[in-house]
Amino acid sequence: QSALTQPASVSGSPGQSITISCTGTSSDVGSYNLVSWYQHHPGKAPKLMIYEVNKRPSGVSNRFSGSKSGNTASLTISGLQAEDEADYYCCSYAGSSTLVFGGGSKLTVL
Amino acid sequence: QVQLVQSGAEVKKPGSSVKVSCKASGGTFSTYGISWVRQAPGQGLEWMGGIIPIFGTANYAQKFQGRVTITADESTSTAYMELSSLRSEDTAVYYCARDLNRYNWNGHFDYWGQGTLVTVSS
Repeated sequence: QSALTQPASVSGSPGQSITISCTGTSSDVGSYNLVSWYQHHPGKAPKLMIYEVNKRPSGVSNRFSGSKSGNTASLTISGLQAEDEADYYCCSYAGSSTLVFGGGSKLTVL
Repeated sequence: QVQLVQSGAEVKKPGSSVKVSCKASGGTFSTYGISWVRQAPGQGLEWMGGIIPIFGTANYAQKFQGRVTITADESTSTAYMELSSLRSEDTAVYYCARDLNRYNWNGHFDYWGQGTLVTVSS
């Protein structure tokens, strides 16, 4: 179970859109529509932003959206705001009741 | 409102074991998966394993097989994670997290504990 691959860092200016990719394999991301995304501010618990590839939990802004193509899932944040600056992690079901996280992407709002 | 409250910080010697608890309140405990996720300093999130209490059987990431034991006590709505043969690389914040859906492993964690810092040092 290797970690899913994410860019180490992404950045954007307020109001812009950014996309974070999450690349796995045909054994995890490619096989299941069970990809989630988490926002993690240092010192706090991670927060679920997207689940089942593209669903938003209640209370999460519609500026956050998810998608998947083949073995790669993506998180898009539109209308970037200062409070979006955080670490973002993807997570996928990997079969046999196991899960795997991505390495994480640090989002900087310029 | 569901709350997961974890036990306090621990300092352990290399080679010893640590057991962290996660007590749930405000919701149904038995039918939701509880996972343990850790974050070492400067590193990302790492899934260690989890359990759906009503089924009783835990599943583990390959990396931790043989070294981690996850259990759940339905009578007290508490999940436990015990990690043995500790080494310095196990220094991390350990989180418990509850899956969004019942009876399934999805990796969609809508509730998290506050985290427990485990420091392994001689």
